[in-house]
Amino acid sequence: DTGVSQNPRHKITKRGQNVTFRCDPISEHNRLYWYRQTLGQGPEFLTYFQNEAQLEKSRLLSDRFSAERPKGSFSTLEIQRTEQGDSAMYLCASSWGLRLRETQYFGPGTRLLVL
Amino acid sequence: AQSVTQLGSHVSVSEGALVLLRCNYSSSVPPYLFWYVQYPNQGLQLLLKYTTGATLVKGINGFEAEFKKSETSFHLTKPSAHMSDAAEYFCALQTGANNLFFGTGTRLTVIP
Repeated sequence: DTGVSQNPRHKITKRGQNVTFRCDPISEHNRLYWYRQTLGQGPEFLTYFQNEAQLEKSRLLSDRFSAERPKGSFSTLEIQRTEQGDSAMYLCASSWGLRLRETQYFGPGTRLLVL
Repeated sequence: AQSVTQLGSHVSVSEGALVLLRCNYSSSVPPYLFWYVQYPNQGLQLLLKYTTGATLVKGINGFEAEFKKSETSFHLTKPSAHMSDAAEYFCALQTGANNLFFGTGTRLTVIP
């Protein structure tokens, strides 16, 4: 069990560019979550998958954001036409279970800086 | 609606002293409560969690927390601080939904 991994760890981009992040959950975990953490704040929920189905999206997830988990394993989070306000740490977490509220295990995050 | 309030964005303690990090919550349903620790430029590591049952929960690295329903609190303690405890600590709440609601965090500084 190697834990949740995220790539890249850091990304610097110019405003208006598109970026894509990848998350590999713990093997066999059926649930995957994306959170965003801005400086000095706690993580905020963005979206959640159970297997390949995206079951919940926060209002924070604007139309410029899209997340996928095509085979129920890894997930990608894409931000189109990045804005400076998108600068943040993007955290991925995964959990296993059939009930609600299973413990989530977090990856190291991808830190995005939009210039 | 649910929310988490962490009192004190910064806490400083001397090495060997008691660590007390405060967390209060608001929830319309019985909550699951968590403490996570975050070291610089790293993700979140689970310290401990409360779901149901025993209200005193023991976690890793000598930390523990007590769920007090009457006070809507879930404070984190450690009897003796170590230099390696310096980090940011987040209290989080999970209700009927799957996502976590986090507090704004408390940065712990340990003074040698």
